[in-house]
Amino acid sequence: EVQLVESGGGLVKPGGSLRLSCAASGFTFSSYSMNWVRQAPGKGLEWVSSISSSSSYIYYADSVKGRFTISRDNAKNSLYLQMNSLRAEDTAVYYCARGMVKYSGMDVWGQGTTVTVSS
Amino acid sequence: EIVMTQSPATLSVSPGERATLSCRASQSVSSNLAWYQQKPGQAPRLLIYGASTRATGIPARFSGSGSGTEFTLTISSLQSEDFAVYYCQQYGFTFGPGTKVDIK
Repeated sequence: EVQLVESGGGLVKPGGSLRLSCAASGFTFSSYSMNWVRQAPGKGLEWVSSISSSSSYIYYADSVKGRFTISRDNAKNSLYLQMNSLRAEDTAVYYCARGMVKYSGMDVWGQGTTVTVSS
Repeated sequence: EIVMTQSPATLSVSPGERATLSCRASQSVSSNLAWYQQKPGQAPRLLIYGASTRATGIPARFSGSGSGTEFTLTISSLQSEDFAVYYCQQYGFTFGPGTKVDIK
């Protein structure tokens, strides 16, 4: 079964750091680009960051550029998001999602991990 | 930066009726447009990619059309399980604000 499982969410104070992980299974992880998408409480979806299959190409939303770092370990079938200088507005459910090979779009999603930034 | 807009924000439809959702891009995205469905407490689900191709397992009542800057998602006959929020996304990046389809 194709599956993505996020972990690492929690409560953190403003200015703090957190590292999210996404464990992939059931497919050849190293063949796919991967993404982080977040959803603040009661709000819509916001694309956060993308990384190509070999980590050659990395993209960030302006809202997180310079504070968040996406990375992957193909040997461990894992995706990561290092989040520094966290702000209240970073509070959200963070989803890991698989990118499609030949088309733009995200065809497999995890269930999400919740990040709360509050003092 | 490409900005995505969706209309209407909320669409009230009776079961069995047709629903038409619109998505507009601030500049051309060619056919690099995807549609997602999200129900409360669940992760989004891919419905349409390449503007008009249904994802695996998506019922034929869902169809997508358009290219460039104007796109449409049509649900031909709404079923109870279709009441949800629908998002469009360009090039795998920016999402639109969503259209909530609720029961009339």
